[in-house]
Amino acid sequence: EPEVTQTPSHQVTQMGQEVILRCVPISNHLYFYWYRQILGQKVEFLVSFYNNEISEKSEIFDDQFSVERPDGSNFTLKIRSTKLEDSAMYFCASSEAGGPGLNEQFFGPGTRLTVL
Amino acid sequence: QQQVKQSPQSLIVQKGGISIINCAYENTAFDYFPWYQQFPGKGPALLIAIRPDVSEKKEGRFTISFNKSAKQFSLHIMDSQPGDSATYFCAASDSGGYQKVTFGTGTKLQVIP
Repeated sequence: EPEVTQTPSHQVTQMGQEVILRCVPISNHLYFYWYRQILGQKVEFLVSFYNNEISEKSEIFDDQFSVERPDGSNFTLKIRSTKLEDSAMYFCASSEAGGPGLNEQFFGPGTRLTVL
Repeated sequence: QQQVKQSPQSLIVQKGGISIINCAYENTAFDYFPWYQQFPGKGPALLIAIRPDVSEKKEGRFTISFNKSAKQFSLHIMDSQPGDSATYFCAASDSGGYQKVTFGTGTKLQVIP
């Protein structure tokens, strides 16, 4: 069964450093997403990406964040200068299409980001 | 208006009992209501979903009840099993947009033998 994969599973970084979280969405999916979940809290939407551009972003997704699809398979989230409050589990998701009935989002296992 | 409110925060149910989780929303543009199940250390996984044109959807032991006029929906887990112990998130999205999923706050379910 196809699945979304994410690397690394755990990333530890120093405050102020740049991190890149990587995701490989399901191959025939066209919509890509990043969510984050601070420990013990709800899952929060960060950004959606379609046709090589951001289609929607939340207020959390400020100038420190960027996304990219550098090739035909990877989808990345970059945090330019990490802060302590960026510590969270980051989930990548993908969906086949945007229309009704085809918009189930499949989530990856997550990357736990710890900022020291 | 974008929030999805979920209760209870935690739930303990005896094996074989019924688990009930309730959610409410404000945004009338929401037209897709999935429930996700999350085990520790894993990503959310779609469990069951409903659209507002039906009032109930059942898949195995899991049933969603939907009340469009009250803007409320609930998940019932019949014959709850210890393997059902997980965190459950209700969610909502607007298919007219780009499928941003708005999650509820989660319910940690523990099914005890």
